[in-house]
Amino acid sequence: GENVEQHPSTLSVQEGDSAVIKCTYSDSASNYFPWYKQELGKRPQLIIDIRSNVGEKKDQRIAVTLNKTAKHFSLHITETQPEDSAVYFCAERDGGTSYGKLTFGQGTILTVHP
Amino acid sequence: DTEVTQTPKHLVMGMTNKKSLKCEQHMGHRAMYWYKQKAKKPPELMFVYSYEKLSINESVPSRFSPECPNSSLLNLHLHALQPEDSALYLCASTLAGTGYEQYFGPGTRLTVT
Repeated sequence: GENVEQHPSTLSVQEGDSAVIKCTYSDSASNYFPWYKQELGKRPQLIIDIRSNVGEKKDQRIAVTLNKTAKHFSLHITETQPEDSAVYFCAERDGGTSYGKLTFGQGTILTVHP
Repeated sequence: DTEVTQTPKHLVMGMTNKKSLKCEQHMGHRAMYWYKQKAKKPPELMFVYSYEKLSINESVPSRFSPECPNSSLLNLHLHALQPEDSALYLCASTLAGTGYEQYFGPGTRLTVT
């Protein structure tokens, strides 16, 4: 079955530093890898995603990289700000269905200190 | 309209009660999902509806009963729940046929007493 491992479980950085969160997956049929940000008491919010035919994608201070051979993908946040503090979940989409079952990693609690 | 909405925001129910959670979207998405999320854990998939038909039931107990009356609406009927069912229940939707870009609703915080 699908399995996603996410590291680290907690990450503490100073404002302005970079933060990197890594995930590995096991299903070679996985073809879509979203990242969600969840602030306390709020919904998971899709912040960036990447498909399996792309190696890297950027959106302002956020970037995601994918290594299909090694089956891992990473979230990079540059110039972190206190409002980046949240729980971040990676996920992978089961490539065997059209409705996209997502399997999530266990989450990373990111704290950005002013 | 680019939002998934859910009602109620909070629900407290006893173990003998029957209640329903409601989810609505008007983005033309034909795949809709129910997830359960416990504190400090990732969302866990419960059910998937694709084109108003139940496509996935992740071995969820029968005290949870999903319903998709039309392409915009998804319900979750609750009956005889247990205290361990207390959690945040999230609805999500996406374009059917892709499964990409799942958008979540704000969730219903359920407490079973």
